[in-house]
Amino acid sequence: GENVEQHPSTLSVQEGDSAVIKCTYSDSASNYFPWYKQELGKRPQLIIDIRSNVGEKKDQRIAVTLNKTAKHFSLHITETQPEDSAVYFCAARRGTSYGKLTFGQGTILTVHP
Amino acid sequence: NAGVMQNPRHLVRRRGQEARLRCSPMKGHSHVYWYRQLPEEGLKFMVYLQKENIIDESGMPKERFSAEFPKEGPSILRIQQVVRGDSAAYFCASSPTSGTGGYDGQFFGPGTRLTVL
Repeated sequence: GENVEQHPSTLSVQEGDSAVIKCTYSDSASNYFPWYKQELGKRPQLIIDIRSNVGEKKDQRIAVTLNKTAKHFSLHITETQPEDSAVYFCAARRGTSYGKLTFGQGTILTVHP
Repeated sequence: NAGVMQNPRHLVRRRGQEARLRCSPMKGHSHVYWYRQLPEEGLKFMVYLQKENIIDESGMPKERFSAEFPKEGPSILRIQQVVRGDSAAYFCASSPTSGTGGYDGQFFGPGTRLTVL
């Protein structure tokens, strides 16, 4: 089955700096890669996603890049703010538009004012 | 458009009791997924259902756990004879019905936090 590895497990940055979180996946048939942000005691919230036919996608301060050959994808947050502090999860899914997500272990991001 | 609804938000059970967790997907969504999150861990897939059908239950423990999504009403995750190791947050997610634009994101409910004493 699919296996998703996420690094680093914790990341501490100063406000205004950039943050990068990386994930690798094992199943070459995976073709959909979402990122979720989860604040303490809250639900995971979808913040950005990318399909395998796209190499990069941006949404304001957030961007995701995908390298299908190397089977890895990354989340980039620029101009970080204290409210970006949360746990971030990457995930992967194979096949069509439906099906289970396999999640990485999560990254605890702390943005210091 | 109301989001994914789950109830109860918190559930306390003693060992050996039954736990029933309910999930109502977003309007227009007919795909429901259940995930479990152990304390300070990631999300683990349990089961994927459509109305009246279990599509993928590869993440469900073989015993004591069952799920359904009836024609009418919410999806139910049922845990019989709970043990302390079942204590976790159980999240439901839903995604759109086929033919509604192809957007394939899964949207999560607030979760049910189960505590087994």
